[in-house]
Amino acid sequence: EPEVTQTPSHQVTQMGQEVILRCVPISNHLYFYWYRQILGQKVEFLVSFYNNEISEKSEIFDDQFSVERPDGSNFTLKIRSTKLEDSAMYFCASSEVGLVGDTQYFGPGTRLTVL
Amino acid sequence: AQSVTQLDSHVSVSEGTPVLLRCNYSSSYSPSLFWYVQHPNKGLQLLLKYTSAATLVKGINGFEAEFKKSETSFHLTKPSAHMSDAAEYFCVVGSGNTGKLIFGQGTTLQVKP
Repeated sequence: EPEVTQTPSHQVTQMGQEVILRCVPISNHLYFYWYRQILGQKVEFLVSFYNNEISEKSEIFDDQFSVERPDGSNFTLKIRSTKLEDSAMYFCASSEVGLVGDTQYFGPGTRLTVL
Repeated sequence: AQSVTQLDSHVSVSEGTPVLLRCNYSSSYSPSLFWYVQHPNKGLQLLLKYTSAATLVKGINGFEAEFKKSETSFHLTKPSAHMSDAAEYFCVVGSGNTGKLIFGQGTTLQVKP
């Protein structure tokens, strides 16, 4: 069964450093998403991406964040200058058509620790 | 605005007894509702979803949920808990133009032998 994969599973970085989190969505899916879960808190939507453009973003997704689909298979989330409060589990998801009610398939997550 | 509230942060049951995980939703229109499960060190897996078809939705691993508009609820049930059901369960509502998901706080299900 096709699945969403994410690398690395755990990333440790120093405050102020740039990190790139990688995801490989399911191959025939058109919509891609990033969510995060700070320890002990809800899973929160960050951004949705379709046709090489951001479709929707939350207030969390400020200028420090960016997303890209560099090569037709990978989908990346970049944090330019990490802060302590960026420490969280980051989940990538993909769906076929991106409509409300369409199933989103999640990857296993990347745990980001900012020291 | 769409939102969901999971009424219990932690539920403990004995193996073989019924499971009830409670979720209330708030929506200005007919919602799309989901239950996802997260086992330790695993990704989020879809258990079931409601998208305005049958109000009783059957999912994987014997779980089901009933959409009750009058009560704005979407509770998750299973007749008989198994040890492998121990996990974190999220009630989720779809929202926005791109179907972004809005998660509840999560309910930790503990299954005792």
